[in-house]
Amino acid sequence: EAQVTQNPRYLITVTGKKLTVTCSQNMNHEYMSWYRQDPGLGLRQIYYSMNVEVTDKGDVPEGYKVSRKEKRNFPLILESPSPNQTSLYFCASSLAWQGSTEAFFGQGTRLTVV
Amino acid sequence: QKEVEQNSGPLSVPEGAIASLNCTYSDRGSQSFFWYRQYSGKSPELIMSIYSNGDKEDGRFTAQLNKASQYVSLLIRDSQPSDSATYLCAVNLRTGAQKLVFGQGTRLTINP
Repeated sequence: EAQVTQNPRYLITVTGKKLTVTCSQNMNHEYMSWYRQDPGLGLRQIYYSMNVEVTDKGDVPEGYKVSRKEKRNFPLILESPSPNQTSLYFCASSLAWQGSTEAFFGQGTRLTVV
Repeated sequence: QKEVEQNSGPLSVPEGAIASLNCTYSDRGSQSFFWYRQYSGKSPELIMSIYSNGDKEDGRFTAQLNKASQYVSLLIRDSQPSDSATYLCAVNLRTGAQKLVFGQGTRLTINP
């Protein structure tokens, strides 16, 4: 089954404790991205990757890091989480970035930083 | 001005009626437009895409695009309670680095 898998689904952590949210897709997609979703603000892009070893900032990259060492995986790293990073996070992938292909989303990770 | 704007609602429509969802965008050069549906606590799923002016129909859903007015809409005919969800408009902006920008979403409730 074609899918984007995120882990964990739920995470409560403390301020400053490094964490990683994993994302993996099995569709051989080139383009992957991370979004956060907050009430009233919609989905905002954090980082994206157009292929292996190619990553770039989205609209809200501060406080986040990513890597793309393999085509299927695109982890999101919070080196020192803060309460304002409490949010619902989605990973997405698409076949290519021509802007005309469907984005497939993971199940989401609800992160709470206390 | 936001890059992609939607009325956040909530929009309440009786069962069987037509639900009309609207979206405006700022980049006149945008080429690709999408409507995603998101149930509470779930991930967005694509329901319609449209690339040229006019209407595109798929079952009970019709997407309408007017590039001159920078306006895209989604009509849901014969609305069902299962259509109750948040609908996200997404636009591929072509200014600078290409990216998919989402509106804040419109929460739709279908009343039985």
